[in-house]
Amino acid sequence: DQQVKQNSPSLSVQEGRISILNCDYTNSMFDYFLWYKKYPAEGPTFLISISSIKDKNEDGRFTVFLNKSAKHLSLHIVPSQPGDSAVYFCAASGTTAGGTSYGKLTFGQGTILTVHP
Amino acid sequence: DSGVTQTPKHLITATGQRVTLRCSPRSGDLSVYWYQQSLDQGLQFLIQYYNGEERAKGNILERFSAQQFPDLHSELNLSSLELGDSALYFCASSPPWMSSYNEQFFGPGTRLTVL
Repeated sequence: DQQVKQNSPSLSVQEGRISILNCDYTNSMFDYFLWYKKYPAEGPTFLISISSIKDKNEDGRFTVFLNKSAKHLSLHIVPSQPGDSAVYFCAASGTTAGGTSYGKLTFGQGTILTVHP
Repeated sequence: DSGVTQTPKHLITATGQRVTLRCSPRSGDLSVYWYQQSLDQGLQFLIQYYNGEERAKGNILERFSAQQFPDLHSELNLSSLELGDSALYFCASSPPWMSSYNEQFFGPGTRLTVL
């Protein structure tokens, strides 16, 4: 049962344009959402997060939007740069049914972003 | 550099063997998490320790075990290895306050290959 889904395995955009990465979740107990970026042969690097009490959070070129009613979040990168090319993972945490999770992250499958010069 | 260190970087072993993966969290972090990333899979949570105590368990096989030592480093022990255990194993750590509202900082991973 995949509780966090990234339905687009890959995304290709032109340098300077907007990249939009999407993520859906099914568990209504999730209350904190994160985006990680991962280069080959490296561990995931934290990018940006949002708690369920907000619907938007910005950090420089990165903005995360949360739509709780749709159980959907998205990461916008504007403008996209070739150095942004990586795998992006959406992750969620919160108190799950049956007990506390204390920050355990549930990850999506990842989306490979390629930004062309 | 996240400040989380993992050793070894690569490990090649045979089926039936036992290996130990090591992780040192960031200075000051009390929580350590272990994740497995198999081919074409997202990261799967295995287990969490907080200040030496087990806090949460995910889909961790009975052949796998972990512990966190008084100096807060953690070890993941994998025994009776099977071909399907080949994967990247990541360790992460997070700040000491008990909350689900915290980022986790990941190490570079250990790539395990079982032949």
